[in-house]
Amino acid sequence: EAEVAQSPRYKITEKSQAVAFWCDPISGHATLYWYRQILGQGPELLVQFQDESVVDDSQLPKDRFSAERLKGVDSTLKIQPAELGDSAMYLCASSKLAGDYNEQFFGPGTRLTVL
Amino acid sequence: GQQVMQIPQYQHVQEGEDFTTYCNSSTTLSNIQWYKQRPGGHPVFLIQLVKSGEVKKQKRLTFQFGEAKKNSSLHITATQTTDVGTYFCAGRGTYKYIFGTGTRLKVLA
Repeated sequence: EAEVAQSPRYKITEKSQAVAFWCDPISGHATLYWYRQILGQGPELLVQFQDESVVDDSQLPKDRFSAERLKGVDSTLKIQPAELGDSAMYLCASSKLAGDYNEQFFGPGTRLTVL
Repeated sequence: GQQVMQIPQYQHVQEGEDFTTYCNSSTTLSNIQWYKQRPGGHPVFLIQLVKSGEVKKQKRLTFQFGEAKKNSSLHITATQTTDVGTYFCAGRGTYKYIFGTGTRLKVLA
């Protein structure tokens, strides 16, 4: 069964350093999401792509976060510089564009710890 | 902005008891999804509801979407230890989903 791939699974970094996360969605899925999940809370949407275009990035802290999906397939989320408050699980999800039905398939996530 | 709240935050039940979690949106939704996240895992899609007043069943799980499309519920009959996890609703406003705060379920054997 096809899955969303993410790497790395775990990342430990010091504050002010740069980090990058990679996501490869399920083949054929036009929509890609990046979520941040703080322990004990629900996922918070950071950015949503439709193919290579950004649909929503209203909650993305643009002074330090950037996201791209250049060829409309895989995607990279970058943080520079990392801050202590960025410690969280970063989840990538993808869905087919199929009318009003948008089952989201989540990857295993990247656990970020900022020291 | 749109907010989605869930109650209760935590629920401990004895195996075999029923469980219900409620989801409330501050705005009318076009549809609502439910996900389950096991401890240490990632959210897994359970179901999507679209129509006002819709009720769907999956074995022991019953999902409802309110008439006003602003609230939803998930009911589990006769819980089992495999039901342990956090249940999230995700409500869609215009084009994006807002996840609820989640209900963490613990089942005591």
